[in-house]
Amino acid sequence: GENVEQHPSTLSVQEGDSAVIKCTYSDSASNYFPWYKQELGKRPQLIIDIRSNVGEKKDQRIAVTLNKTAKHFSLHITETQPEDSAVYFCAAVSSGSARQLTFGSGTQLTVLP
Amino acid sequence: NAGVMQNPRHLVRRRGQEARLRCSPMKGHSHVYWYRQLPEEGLKFMVYLQKENIIDESGMPKERFSAEFPKEGPSILRIQQVVRGDSAAYFCASSPGTGGQPYEQYFGPGTRLTVT
Repeated sequence: GENVEQHPSTLSVQEGDSAVIKCTYSDSASNYFPWYKQELGKRPQLIIDIRSNVGEKKDQRIAVTLNKTAKHFSLHITETQPEDSAVYFCAAVSSGSARQLTFGSGTQLTVLP
Repeated sequence: NAGVMQNPRHLVRRRGQEARLRCSPMKGHSHVYWYRQLPEEGLKFMVYLQKENIIDESGMPKERFSAEFPKEGPSILRIQQVVRGDSAAYFCASSPGTGGQPYEQYFGPGTRLTVT
């Protein structure tokens, strides 16, 4: 089955700086890679996703890149703000699976004012 | 447009009791997924259902856990004879399954189960 590894597990940045979170996956058949933001005690919220036929996708301050050859994808947050502080999870869906998400272990992002 | 709904939000059960968790998917979504999140950990897939069908239950413990998604009404995750290790947040997600964004999953607020 799919295995997703995520790092770093914790990340602290100064407000206004950029943050980068990286994930690798094992199943070369995976073709959909979403990112979720989870605030303490809240539901995971889908913030951006990318499909395997695209190398990069951007939505305002958030961007995701995908390298299919190396089987890794990354989340980039620019001009970070304190409200970006949360746990971020990457995930992967294999085209051969029943579409369940395999999650990374999460990154606790803290944006220091 | 209501999102994914789950109830109860918090559930306390004594060891040996049954826990019943409910999930209503987003309007227009026919695919439901259940995930479990242990404290300070990521989300783990449990089961994937469509109306009246269990598609994949490879993440479900073999005993005490069951799930259904009847033709009418919410999806239900049932845990019999709960033990302390079942204490976790249980999230339901739904997706349209077809159309332009078949893979996108939207999560409910979760049910936090505490076993005393």
